[in-house]
Amino acid sequence: KQEVTQIPAALSVPEGENLVLNCSFTDSAIYNLQWFRQDPGKGLTSLLLIQSSQREQTSGRLNASLDKSSGRSTLYIAASQPGDSATYLCAVRRGNAGNMLTFGGGTRLMVKP
Amino acid sequence: DAGVIQSPRHEVTEMGQEVTLRCKPISGHDYLFWYRQTMMRGLELLIYFNNNVPIDDSGMPEDRFSAKMPNASFSTLKIQPSEPRDSAVYFCASSSYLSNQPQHFGDGTRLSIL
Repeated sequence: KQEVTQIPAALSVPEGENLVLNCSFTDSAIYNLQWFRQDPGKGLTSLLLIQSSQREQTSGRLNASLDKSSGRSTLYIAASQPGDSATYLCAVRRGNAGNMLTFGGGTRLMVKP
Repeated sequence: DAGVIQSPRHEVTEMGQEVTLRCKPISGHDYLFWYRQTMMRGLELLIYFNNNVPIDDSGMPEDRFSAKMPNASFSTLKIQPSEPRDSAVYFCASSSYLSNQPQHFGDGTRLSIL
């Protein structure tokens, strides 16, 4: 059974700092890995999707990497801003059949001005 | 694009009552998912549909839970009878068949069973 773990569970940093969020998964046979952002009282918003054949994806100040063999992914946020404060979740797609995702518990990020 | 639309946004009801949650997926999406989010268990997949057909309902906790998708633009998740432990935020999400496209989530229904 696939298990997804995110460390740390919570993180508080001053504005402007570069930071790394970690995601690990137990079964390396994944189809893709996705990073989402969740604001309080809202649904999840997709940030980046990395196919299993890819090593990284970039969008603006965000960069996500994938090391499938070691079962790890990182989300790098450059020059953090208070508006980045949210919960970040990673999810792995189990396989080619369907589109089922297994989610990690999330990292709650607070960026202080 | 209106996004995934869920209703109601909040529901408070007494134990034993029937609860019906509604979802309108993004037009053209082939897949629809129902999730439940709690502090204790995080985000859990309950059931998903492909082209209106239920594919995997292994996450549905009990027979008290049922889901339907009568057409491509509407789905319901029903709990009957409801219990306090069903209190959670329930999300609906939809996606296209393309493997490089993410799931799109609604804003959820916050359910409280008293």
